[in-house]
Amino acid sequence: SSELTQPPSVSVSPGQTARITCSGDALSKSYAYWYQQKPGQAPLLLIYKDIERLSGIPERFSGSSSGTIVTLIISGVQAEDEADYYCQSADSSDAWVFGGGTKLTVL
Amino acid sequence: VQLQQSGPGLVKPSETLSLICTVSGDSISGYSWSWIRQPPGKGLEWIGYIYYSGSTNYNPSLKSRVTISKDTSKNLFSLELSSVTAADAAVYYCAKARVTTGGMDVWGQGTTVTVSS
Repeated sequence: SSELTQPPSVSVSPGQTARITCSGDALSKSYAYWYQQKPGQAPLLLIYKDIERLSGIPERFSGSSSGTIVTLIISGVQAEDEADYYCQSADSSDAWVFGGGTKLTVL
Repeated sequence: VQLQQSGPGLVKPSETLSLICTVSGDSISGYSWSWIRQPPGKGLEWIGYIYYSGSTNYNPSLKSRVTISKDTSKNLFSLELSSVTAADAAVYYCAKARVTTGGMDVWGQGTTVTVSS
């Protein structure tokens, strides 16, 4: 099965831009999805099909894609954005896979 | 659409974990449905899904022990995981998958499952 690799942690100051990467061979053939998970809560879908923002998600959340790397971009980070972020995609047999998750710390 | 999970929070080793996800607000027939778990302090692990057509796909690492099924008459879908061990202890989530655009946009509240005798 394919793997998706994320950095364990990213730290930014309020108002700055956070970039969380997700890399893996599956991403060259399948779309990526991004989820936000706060402690004690279920994950929340933010981005679908690499770059599309789900309705109701703040505009500061965006996605980009290039080859085998996708990136979640959070512009003007706010304290409430502190959470774990997961990418998800599908492998060649259409089995889904999550990245290991990235803990975003707002300094 | 809302998802309500039910099932035991304690399962004995070697027994079968069974969880149900009841769907309200729409028919189960038009969507695909998935189960995901999260061990304590760890990341998300996809367990499997049942497509709107009824076909299923499972995580290769769990495939021999997992069954996902649905009951359209009761508007619910379920998870069975056999021969559980301590490694199966986790928060289990059910989720609705978007058929055309992908991604899981509605999640259940999560069920904490402990494996202990």
